[in-house]
Amino acid sequence: NAGVTQTPKFQVLKTGQSMTLQCAQDMNHEYMSWYRQDPGMGLRLIHYSVGAGITDQGEVPNGYNVSRSTTEDFPLRLLSAAPSQTSVYFCASSYGLEGGSGNEQFFGPGTRLTVL
Amino acid sequence: SQKIEQNSEALNIQEGKTATLTCNYTNYSPAYLQWYRQDPGRGPVFLLLIRENEKEKRKERLKVTFDTTLKQSLFHITASQPADSATYLCALVLWSGNTPLVFGKGTRLSVIA
Repeated sequence: NAGVTQTPKFQVLKTGQSMTLQCAQDMNHEYMSWYRQDPGMGLRLIHYSVGAGITDQGEVPNGYNVSRSTTEDFPLRLLSAAPSQTSVYFCASSYGLEGGSGNEQFFGPGTRLTVL
Repeated sequence: SQKIEQNSEALNIQEGKTATLTCNYTNYSPAYLQWYRQDPGRGPVFLLLIRENEKEKRKERLKVTFDTTLKQSLFHITASQPADSATYLCALVLWSGNTPLVFGKGTRLSVIA
């Protein structure tokens, strides 16, 4: 199993550009999520999905879009990049968190994004 | 307001000693509490989970306690080694809401030989 994979590992964008961060998992997990990690702020949830075709907003969703057309893939789209979106982005998956099931999250290696 | 706090940003201890990390929360009612380890440049890795009705959980040199009255979890690493140096994150698993998992900011542990 490859686990959770993310591409690219590094990306530099100019303000106003758009791009898609890719995330895929091969564990047949229903739950997938995107976090951003900033110094002194910890991990903050951007969007999450409890299954194909179902997505919801997390704590900091503005400026980001997601879709979930398959169980395996959960891409994150930056619509018009801003310097405030400079961060490290992590994708995670698990068997599910409904009803507080407590399943462990499997994280990808992260994408380091810089917006100039 | 709701908060989850880890007691310090950084903790230095000597090899062989027990490291104790603290996670406190306010105005949450978690179903579970999880602990993760994160090494520089990598994603977090799950270590342990403890349920709200459990007082203590152990895994090898790791021990976690969970006191829902004090709203606190303690994470212990016994006989610490330099390889234990990393950032440790606690996370609350909530019963409901649009943020089902809430992370603390982490404590950076350095074990000095």
